[in-house]
Amino acid sequence: DIQMTQSPSSLSASVGDRVTITCRASQSISSYLNWYQQKPGKAPKLLIYAASSLQSGVPSRFSGSGSGTDFTLTISSLQPEDFATYYCQQSYTTRRTFGQGTKVEIK
Amino acid sequence: EVQLLESGGGLVQPGGSLRLSCAASGFTFSSYAMSWVRQAPGKGLEWVSAISGSGGSTYYADSVKGRFTISRDNSKNTLYLQMNSLRAEDTAVYYCAKDSRLYYDSSGYSDYWGQGTLVTVSS
Repeated sequence: DIQMTQSPSSLSASVGDRVTITCRASQSISSYLNWYQQKPGKAPKLLIYAASSLQSGVPSRFSGSGSGTDFTLTISSLQPEDFATYYCQQSYTTRRTFGQGTKVEIK
Repeated sequence: EVQLLESGGGLVQPGGSLRLSCAASGFTFSSYAMSWVRQAPGKGLEWVSAISGSGGSTYYADSVKGRFTISRDNSKNTLYLQMNSLRAEDTAVYYCAKDSRLYYDSSGYSDYWGQGTLVTVSS
């Protein structure tokens, strides 16, 4: 299976900060990379698909980039409702593995 | 509005069986692949299984292959996960998720998720 590694595992940031989360695949996955947000006790929510396409209804402060093995999720100006855990997921193979998650906490 | 409602979770002894259901509404169920994803307490997300829109193709994680069976009844708009030979490490919240495509392939992604049902495997 393709291994997905996110960094950092957690970060502390303030409202208004620019936040970047990195996801690395163990082999090339082209642009088949999705990002999800999960808040405590809630289901995951799709943010970005195909590495850089913004899901309908998701604020434009979220953006994704990358291809091959290295990807990033950027929040341009962190808002109070963005404190959550973020997961990347590859869909290059049918066994769609997730990264271990990045928890974004309030500084 | 897309809605996915899981049910069937609960406490089961090791070696036991359980069948999860996911009732779907708000979209043409047979036109989309579906998945199950689980999350152990305090842990990350783990993809478990998926099925194409017709039900003709199924996919499993190595951790559940041979023990779990995914299926769907398009006439009832319901997705199932039959779980046999359950182990303590299967304890998790199980989410069903709608895929963006009919076929479960590289271009797809899970665009809607249910709220999950908790499965606890313990004696």
